Amino acid sequence: SQTIHQWPATLVQPVGSPLSLECTVEGTSNPNLYWYRQAAGRGLQLLFYSVGIGQISSEVPQNLSASRPQDRQFILSSKKLLLSDSGFYLCAWKNRVEQYFGPGTRLTVT
Amino acid sequence: AQSVTQLGSHVSVSEGALVLLRCNYSSSVPPYLFWYVQYPNQGLQLLLKYTSAATLVKGINGFEAEFKKSETSFHLTKPSAHMSDAAEYFCAVSDFYGGATNKLIFGTGTLLAVQP
Repeated sequence: SQTIHQWPATLVQPVGSPLSLECTVEGTSNPNLYWYRQAAGRGLQLLFYSVGIGQISSEVPQNLSASRPQDRQFILSSKKLLLSDSGFYLCAWKNRVEQYFGPGTRLTVT
Repeated sequence: AQSVTQLGSHVSVSEGALVLLRCNYSSSVPPYLFWYVQYPNQGLQLLLKYTSAATLVKGINGFEAEFKKSETSFHLTKPSAHMSDAAEYFCAVSDFYGGATNKLIFGTGTLLAVQP
């Protein structure tokens, strides 16, 4: 069966520091992968998606970037965090038409 | 463009009562529709999905939803609420012709409280 992992589970970072969040999927090959952000009191916002290695599509202009160095690995990065980057970050993979989500990373920028 | 509207950001029911969470969608093409549940500090779990087969869809934990094209609705119901149903519920739409991307558009969520 397929499993999706995210780490770290929680992260507290100062403004201006870099960020790297990792997502890996097991049990499937060449999945579509997605990064979402959930800010307090708001719904889910799609940030990036990828249909293959090295293929990244950005949905929202911001100081975040994504990379897919391996088939089942998806990384979310930032060179300098802003206070507004705080939130719950969720990675997902697509199976046929539905998406399955990882456990999430809680990021607090101080 | 597709969109989803969830009516009622907070819904409170008594244990054993009917749960009804409302979702209306907008789509110019045949939609796929989904309900997800999120418990505090966890990821989203798929409850059920509609993919143009039967209009009444049964999901996990006793939930079901009915696709009504004429009303552009996909409301989520459960006959008898349990304390463990307390969570946030998200309705989502994806376009049938999305192909490789099949991006999901989410509603803003409904927080369900279950009173003893």
